[in-house]
Amino acid sequence: EDKVVQSPLSLVVHEGDTVTLNCSYEVTNFRSLLWYKQEKKAPTFLFMLTSSGIEKKSGRLSSILDKKELFSILNITATQTGDSAIYLCAVEGTSGTYKYIFGTGTRLKVLA
Amino acid sequence: KAGVTQTPRYLIKTRGQQVTLSCSPISGHRSVSWYQQTPGQGLQFLFEYFSETQRNKGNFPGRFSGRQFSNSRSEMNVSTLELGDSALYLCASSSRTANYGYTFGSGTRLTVV
Repeated sequence: EDKVVQSPLSLVVHEGDTVTLNCSYEVTNFRSLLWYKQEKKAPTFLFMLTSSGIEKKSGRLSSILDKKELFSILNITATQTGDSAIYLCAVEGTSGTYKYIFGTGTRLKVLA
Repeated sequence: KAGVTQTPRYLIKTRGQQVTLSCSPISGHRSVSWYQQTPGQGLQFLFEYFSETQRNKGNFPGRFSGRQFSNSRSEMNVSTLELGDSALYLCASSSRTANYGYTFGSGTRLTVV
């Protein structure tokens, strides 16, 4: 059965810390992996990853995909309170009846 | 450029009733997908529409249905509501299926009492 597992489920850090969020997957005919940030309701797009080993970077956030070991990580450096959110990982395959399978998310809380 | 618009924002219904939720995608986006989000299950895929045709369907009972109109607006309907249907229902649109990810709406918070 196709699945996406995120870890940890929740995380509490202090401002300035660096965090690493994990996403592992088992999906038939992998096409892409996406990271989203959800603060209140609408998840907002962070990264789309399709190739192994190529880091995507946006400010203090970066992400990389390992298609051999079937996982991705999302790094946030110098965390700020505004980074507090649920971080969602979604994977797209080409079989089954879904478009993207989402993990349950990692809830990050950054304390001042 | 307007984002994805979902209405209503909040809804309270009683068991047994039915509900219709609406989603207007970003102009030019022809693919609309619906997800149910609950604290324990995360985002669960309901269905995807493209050019008025349902392309994919998740593992939800037949009480959950949807449709898409010629202007790409989409509606989802839930009949015979159950307490467990209480959730945030998110709609997402994309400009091409499978290539550019989603833009999500703010969702409709449905509470069934």
